[in-house]
Order: sequence, then C-alpha cells, then structure tokens
Amino acid sequence: GIQVEQSPPDLILQEGANSTLRCNFSDSVNNLQWFHQNPWGQLINLFYIPSGTKQNGRLSATTVATERYSLLYISSSQTTVSGVYFCAVLSLGSQGNLIFGKGTKLSVKP
Amino acid sequence: ETGVTQTPRHLVMGMTNKKSLKCEQHLGHNAMYWYKQSAKKPLELMFVYNFKEQTENNSVPSRFSPECPNSSHLFLHLHTLQPEDSALYLCASSPGGVGNTIYFGEGSWLTVV
Repeated sequence: GIQVEQSPPDLILQEGANSTLRCNFSDSVNNLQWFHQNPWGQLINLFYIPSGTKQNGRLSATTVATERYSLLYISSSQTTVSGVYFCAVLSLGSQGNLIFGKGTKLSVKP
Repeated sequence: ETGVTQTPRHLVMGMTNKKSLKCEQHLGHNAMYWYKQSAKKPLELMFVYNFKEQTENNSVPSRFSPECPNSSHLFLHLHTLQPEDSALYLCASSPGGVGNTIYFGEGSWLTVV
C-alpha cells in the first residue's frame, strides 16, 4: 500500500517564527488532506489539497502531485498553533480509505 | 465544532466491564468511521460504514463491536478489553467517495484498568 512519511517528527519554534512541514507519499494520489490535532485530541481539517496551492490565514499548503510531496507552511507562529499536524492520502484509483502519516509535533514557545 | 459529536469524552473501565462509545454526526454524511490512536502510532482505521453497511473491518479484535443503526449514529461496543486497548478513539464522517473531506469528532479517551 501507499506509504506516507512526514518530516520533521518534532519541531520547536519561538513565537513569530515560520515553519515548513513536509509530507512525502509513495504513489499517485487523488485525495490529500492536512489536519491539526490540538492537545485535547480534536482533529481539525486544514486543507483538502490533492494538487496545487491553498491559503487560509497564516497557513498555506502546496502539493506537487507529480513529485509526490506536499508542504504545509505556517507563518508567524502563535502558541495556539501548537499540536500535531497530520497528512493523510488516498491512492489514485483506490476506493479505500485515507492513510495517515505519523505526524509532526509542533511546539511554539512564547 | 465539526458537526461530529462523541460521548463520553473520557472513560475508565475494568477489563470485565461492558461499555459503549457513541458518535453522532449532524452533517448529512453517508460514511462513518472509527479510528484508534495509540501513543506514538499513526491513526489506525478500525471500521467503516457506508449507508449503514459495514464496508471495512481492519482486522479488529472481536472485543470491539461496532453498530450503525442509521447514517447519523455510530457506536463502538467494548467488552473484556485489555490494558493495551487504552487509547484515543476517534469517530469521523464524510460525504462518501474518494474526493471528500473527512471530519472528526473530539475523540473518546479510553483507559482500561
């Protein structure tokens, strides 16, 4: 099955810093989503982005489907963006379900 | 608020107990899911229901028994669990189909003692 690798596994930033999280996948995809999990366990959709670029406030994401990776950019980090960021994908042609990466744990210090 | 509600949020149960987790979605979605999240592991898909029919059982032990009485409700019945079953159990829903976004509930933290 498709493999999903996220990097880095852990990231510590000072408030106001920018960061880039990466998601590599081993096969062509027709569904890619980024999620944020807060410290209480809630997973929130950030982007549905199988290709192209999207922006939402201080967050933006780019997926280069032909090169099998996606990037999540977080600018001017606030402590509220701390948590774990997950990438999840579905292989092209698959009728199955999303496969999640192991996540990147982001800690933003004041 | 994602439109997917899980209860209880926290549950402590003994290995001989029977308990249930409940999930309700208010989004009109056709597919519902149970995921398990253990420490330092990726999210593991447990069960999928489409239009109330189970379409995936990811080799889950029989001590976990799902029930989907309608497209809006999903239960996970728990019986004779083991301490290693302690985890965060996440319910999710989606409109169905491969190109759709999936929405998660807040999760139920389960501790088996």
